[in-house]
Amino acid sequence: DVKVTQSSRYLVKRTGEKVFLECVQDMDHENMFWYRQDPGLGLRLIYFSYDVKMKEKGDIPEGYSVSREKKERFSLILESASTNQTSMYLCASSLGGFAEQYFGPGTRLTVT
Amino acid sequence: GQQVMQIPQYQHVQEGEDFTTYCNSSTTLSNIQWYKQRPGGHPVFLIQLVKSGEVKKQKRLTFQFGEAKKNSSLHITATQTTDVGTYFCAGTYTGNQFYFGTGTSLTVIP
Repeated sequence: DVKVTQSSRYLVKRTGEKVFLECVQDMDHENMFWYRQDPGLGLRLIYFSYDVKMKEKGDIPEGYSVSREKKERFSLILESASTNQTSMYLCASSLGGFAEQYFGPGTRLTVT
Repeated sequence: GQQVMQIPQYQHVQEGEDFTTYCNSSTTLSNIQWYKQRPGGHPVFLIQLVKSGEVKKQKRLTFQFGEAKKNSSLHITATQTTDVGTYFCAGTYTGNQFYFGTGTSLTVIP
């Protein structure tokens, strides 16, 4: 079974802090994704990566950056956290393109 | 811009009743996927539809892709309490664009 893990289930940070969210997948998938999920808005794509060191902006990249130094690991970085970045963050991976995506358990981030 | 609209946002049904959620796009989709997210869980892939007019079934779940590839539906026959959760569609457009719908939250009353 594909396993996607995220570094934290819950995280509380202060405004202005730099925040790192880590995601690891164990199935040698090419593509990895970061979404945020907010009530009534569904899942919105922040960034995705189709190869090591490659990244593409999704629908809402502002205020975020990403890093993919190894195939199995995709990090989401909030350079200076703000209260409007309080959300559930979901990582996913797929074999290719936007094919069937496997999601991690999510990180609920609260910025105070 | 391109996006996938999903209705209804919420649906409460008595156990045993049917349930349908709809997704609509203003532009043609390359394909559409459906996911289920249980309360407190993460989205889990159900199915992908690619062909115009395609219909696929998984036990009590029936998935349809419209002839114009601009809409899709998920129908559940005789709902059970295990069907509780939020159902999302997700559409892929040419140019490598991908959008989730806003989801339909299903509550099943025993």
